[in-house]
Amino acid sequence: AQSVAQPEDQVNVAEGNPLTVKCTYSVSGNPYLFWYVQYPNRGLQFLLKYITGDNLVKGSYGFEAEFNKSQTSFHLKKPSALVSDSALYFCAVRDGDTGNQFYFGTGTSLTVIP
Amino acid sequence: EAQVTQNPRYLITVTGKKLTVTCSQNMNHEYMSWYRQDPGLGLRQIYYSMNVEVTDKGDVPEGYKVSRKEKRNFPLILESPSPNQTSLYFCASSKTGTGVGNQPQHFGDGTRLSIL
Repeated sequence: AQSVAQPEDQVNVAEGNPLTVKCTYSVSGNPYLFWYVQYPNRGLQFLLKYITGDNLVKGSYGFEAEFNKSQTSFHLKKPSALVSDSALYFCAVRDGDTGNQFYFGTGTSLTVIP
Repeated sequence: EAQVTQNPRYLITVTGKKLTVTCSQNMNHEYMSWYRQDPGLGLRQIYYSMNVEVTDKGDVPEGYKVSRKEKRNFPLILESPSPNQTSLYFCASSKTGTGVGNQPQHFGDGTRLSIL
């Protein structure tokens, strides 16, 4: 079965420090992986997606994600956190070989402390 | 402006009273989808549509109906709402087709439904 796991409900980081939000996935075929961000009272906004062959993907607002096939992980990273990065982050996966359903993680709330 | 528009944004209603949440996109996207967001559960897909007149069940379709008569619209229908359908609902759309399987989805701003 297809699934996504975000093991941390909450991540706190000091402003200016690097941040990591973790995501692991399970699909039977080739994974299509995405990161989205949600601000209060808004819909999800696309941050970045996995591109086949690239182990480090760059996205919007200085975010990047590291793909690791052996660990089936797609962790979101940023070298220097901003207070405005505080939001809810979702990892999502679609099994490119077997269907058109999307599976989202449970979300990680990121708080950047000034 | 490219957008996905949902209406209403907020609705409080009672058990058993049929309701429809509308969703419209202006990007000519083939793929449209409905999700519900619940605390601790993330987003779960209710239904999706690959194109006009083509719909499929997601993970949690029970109690919901959808239709896709036009490319731009994808309404979500609750024929007999129950309290366990109280949730935050999102509509999304994206391109599909050969080579665009990893296209990101564009989301509406959400509809908060309360079923009493």
